[in-house]
Amino acid sequence: QVQLVQSGAEVKKPGASVKVSCKASGYTFTGYYMHWVRQAPGQGLEWMGWINPNSGGTNYAQKFQGRVTMTRDTSISTAYMELSRLRSDDTAVYYCARDRGYSSSWYPPGYFDYWGQGTLVTVSS
Amino acid sequence: SSELTQDPAVSVALGQTVRITCQGDSLRSYYASWYQQKPGQAPVLVIYGKNNRPSGIPDRFSGSSSGNTASLTITGAQAEDEADYYCNSRDSSGNPPNYVFGTGTKVTVL
Repeated sequence: QVQLVQSGAEVKKPGASVKVSCKASGYTFTGYYMHWVRQAPGQGLEWMGWINPNSGGTNYAQKFQGRVTMTRDTSISTAYMELSRLRSDDTAVYYCARDRGYSSSWYPPGYFDYWGQGTLVTVSS
Repeated sequence: SSELTQDPAVSVALGQTVRITCQGDSLRSYYASWYQQKPGQAPVLVIYGKNNRPSGIPDRFSGSSSGNTASLTITGAQAEDEADYYCNSRDSSGNPPNYVFGTGTKVTVL
C-alpha cells in the first residue's frame, strides 16, 4: 500500500531554515509527481509547489520563490522540502502529497491522492 | 493568481443531501478536485476530474461543474461526513501550472 511518512516536528527560530522529509513506499517513487502543501493553525490549505521525482524538475508558488527548495533522493525514495528565512507566520503543518499524474506527463494534473501525516513546524523566538 | 471561493459553513440533517460549491475563474478551464479533512488528520481526496472517486470513497460523494462553479454533493449524509472540505484547481494563469485551494467549507451533520 502507498505510504508517505514524514519527518518529525521541528521548532525553529526566526531566520533559520527547516528541511522536512517525505519517504515514499508502496509504489515507484519516480513514477509520480510530488507536491508540498501547508496549513497554518486553524487555517486552510496552501499549495507550495511540486517536484518531478524522475527529472528533479520543480515548480514553486510565487509566494515561496526564493525561499523554498524541493529536492529528492531517488536511492531512498524520499522527497525533501526546505524553507529558509523562517518567519512566525511560517508556523504550520507541512504535508507532502502525491499527484495521481505520472512523472512522464508534461505537468501534473493536481489531484493529490496520497498524503503524508504532516510535519508541524513551529517558528518562535 | 486565481482564487477559489467556498461558503464557510453548511449544515445538513442526517441522511439528507448537501451541496458544497466552489467558485473561481480557473474552473471554466479546469476540473476541481475535492478533499475531506477531519480534525487532526491529513486531507483525503474524495473527487477528482469530471466526477471520479478514488477507491474506497463511498458513492454518496459526487462532483459536477458548470461555468465557473464546481460542486461536491453528498447524497444521504452520514455522521462521519462531518468535516472540512476543500476544492482545488489548476491556476488558469502561468506555465508551468500552479494550483490553488479553495477557502474551505465546514460541514456539520445534524
